[in-house]
Amino acid sequence: EPEVTQTPSHQVTQMGQEVILRCVPISNHLYFYWYRQILGQKVEFLVSFYNNEISEKSEIFDDQFSVERPDGSNFTLKIRSTKLEDSAMYFCASSKDNGNQPQHFGDGTRLSIL
Amino acid sequence: QKEVEQNSGPLSVPEGAIASLNCTYSDRGSQSFFWYRQYSGKSPELIMFIYSNGDKEDGRFTAQLNKASQYVSLLIRDSQPSDSATYLCAVGPRGNNRLAFGKGNQVVVIP
Repeated sequence: EPEVTQTPSHQVTQMGQEVILRCVPISNHLYFYWYRQILGQKVEFLVSFYNNEISEKSEIFDDQFSVERPDGSNFTLKIRSTKLEDSAMYFCASSKDNGNQPQHFGDGTRLSIL
Repeated sequence: QKEVEQNSGPLSVPEGAIASLNCTYSDRGSQSFFWYRQYSGKSPELIMFIYSNGDKEDGRFTAQLNKASQYVSLLIRDSQPSDSATYLCAVGPRGNNRLAFGKGNQVVVIP
């Protein structure tokens, strides 16, 4: 069964450094998402992406964050200058369309900011 | 008001029993409703989705949706130890594609 893959599984970074999280969505999916989950808290939406542009973003997704689809398969989340509070699990998800089609999640990247 | 609420605490059920989970949501215009299972330290795994009022069954799982009362529930029949996990309710608001998640309900199935 096709799945969303994310790399790395764990990223440790010094505060203030840039980090790039990578995702390969399911191949026939058109909508891509990033969510995060701080330890012990609920899953929070960050951003959705379609047709090479952001379709929606949350208040969490400030100027420190950016997303890109650099080629036909990868979907990346960049955090420019990481803060301690960016420590979380970051999940990439994809769906065939927006609205009603289910979103399928990758295994996540655990980001630890020191 | 929180978008998606899952208020009950950890639920312990004996193996073979029915586990019942509830979720309420605030946006009356919401159109899509999902239940994800999340094992500790793992990612959310889709187990059920429902769009219309009523019941939807898939194996041992049944999702129930009542849009008038703004709640969605999940029943797990013949609970197994492998069902022990946190169950996340997620709601898709009308007009956009972000999912709003509840905090989750932990289920512990006792052998």
